[in-house]
Amino acid sequence: GAVVSQHPSWVICKSGTSVKIECRSLDFQATTMFWYRQFPKQSLMLMATSNEGSKATYEQGVEKDKFLINHASLTLSTLTVTSAHPEDSSFYICSAPGRYYEQYFGPGTRLTVT
Amino acid sequence: AQTVTQSQPEMSVQEAETVTLSCTYDTSESDYYLFWYKQPPSRQMILVIRQEAYKQQNATENRFSVNFQKAAKSFSLKISDSQLGDAAMYFCAYRSALREYGNKLVFGAGTILRVKS
Repeated sequence: GAVVSQHPSWVICKSGTSVKIECRSLDFQATTMFWYRQFPKQSLMLMATSNEGSKATYEQGVEKDKFLINHASLTLSTLTVTSAHPEDSSFYICSAPGRYYEQYFGPGTRLTVT
Repeated sequence: AQTVTQSQPEMSVQEAETVTLSCTYDTSESDYYLFWYKQPPSRQMILVIRQEAYKQQNATENRFSVNFQKAAKSFSLKISDSQLGDAAMYFCAYRSALREYGNKLVFGAGTILRVKS
C-alpha cells in the first residue's frame, strides 16, 4: 500500500523559534496533501490543504502566517510553524489521497514548544 | 456542510467477543464515501474499511464489517473475535464525491475501544 512518511517524529523547540515538518509520499505522487492537528484523545482537525505548485488552502481560523505550507514537489509538502509558542504544542499529521478515495496518513510529528 | 457523529466516547469489549461502534452522518448528497480508521497508541492512522455509498452491499475486511444504512445515514463498524491489538481510537470519516470538496475527509469525534483479556 501507499506509504507516507513524516520527519521528524518528535521535535522540541524554544518559544519564538520556527520548526519545519516534512511530509513525503514514498511510493506515489501526490498533487494534494493535507495537514491536521490533533490534541490528545480528540479528533483530527484539518488545518490546510497543500497543493503542488500553488498556494495552500487554509481552513477557517487557521493562521496562514503562523503555519506556512509549501508543496514544492509531487512527493514533498512541508509545514513550518513560525515563532512557535507553547500553545502550538500538539501532534501534527499529514495525509495524501489514495487511489480509492481514501487517505494515507503519515505517522505524525509531536511538537513540544518550551 | 457534512457532519459525522460518533455517540460513544468509549467502549469496552471482552477478548474474543463482538463489539459494534456507531456512526451517523448528515449530508444532502447521494454519492459519497465512508471510512473507518483506527488509531492505536502509536497514533498512526490505519484504514480499517471503506464503503462507497452507491454500493448496497456492506463492506467486509476479515473480522471487520460494516452495517451501512443509507436511508438512515448510519455506518456502524462491527469487530468480531476482538483481539488485544484492536484496542485503539476509532474514527468514522466521510468524503464527498463532489469535486468542489476536493478529497477532504470529515471526521467524527472518535470512539476509544478497550479490549479486556
